[in-house]
Amino acid sequence: QVDLVESGGGVVQPGRSLSLSCAASGFTFSTYSMHWVRQAPGKGLEWVAVIASDGINTYYGDSVKGRFTVSRDNSRNTLYLQMNNLRPDDTAVYYCARKGGVGQLPIDHWGQGTLVTVSS
Amino acid sequence: QPVLTQSSSASASLGSSVKLTCTLNRGRTSYIIAWHQQQAGKAPRYLMKLESSGSYDKGSGVPDRFSGSSSGADRYLTISNVQSEDEADYFCETWDSDTQVFGGGTKLTVL
Repeated sequence: QVDLVESGGGVVQPGRSLSLSCAASGFTFSTYSMHWVRQAPGKGLEWVAVIASDGINTYYGDSVKGRFTVSRDNSRNTLYLQMNNLRPDDTAVYYCARKGGVGQLPIDHWGQGTLVTVSS
Repeated sequence: QPVLTQSSSASASLGSSVKLTCTLNRGRTSYIIAWHQQQAGKAPRYLMKLESSGSYDKGSGVPDRFSGSSSGADRYLTISNVQSEDEADYFCETWDSDTQVFGGGTKLTVL
């Protein structure tokens, strides 16, 4: 079955960087677009970024544009999120999520999430 | 960009039915959405994709008591025979060419 396992979360000071990973298994990773979605404590879901299956096209939410970079290694079935110049309001659980396929399809699988805390 | 509006809370008695609403902003009545469930302390779970026609396609393992329907800009999630494990936050999702959007979520309390 589809499994998405995030790692790399932790406590980081404002202005510093952190890199998250998401290991995918149970499906042909290289044929699916992948998202990062975050959830601040007690808040709703906020879309962060998406990367196409071939890694060429990427798009970002306004709040992270210019600071975060999404990438992937299809040979390792792994999704990444490089987060630079972190701010306290980036504190959240970060989920990787799979888009359901080619075309007009939503997220159809979620990872368990990894917590990022930005605090001095 | 699309905007999704949800009521912040709802309640239902055990064994009853409840209908949750997700409303698209003007001009986007044809948009497909998805419903996701998030139980306390857990990751979200995909429930279904719902089209403007009311046709829906559920995820693997989603119980039969979950169904979807549509009317204009409104997208509905109906839970029949509500169970205690249905107490959760329910989020709707939609997308445009280069952006993904979530509604604010509805917290369902089972009485």
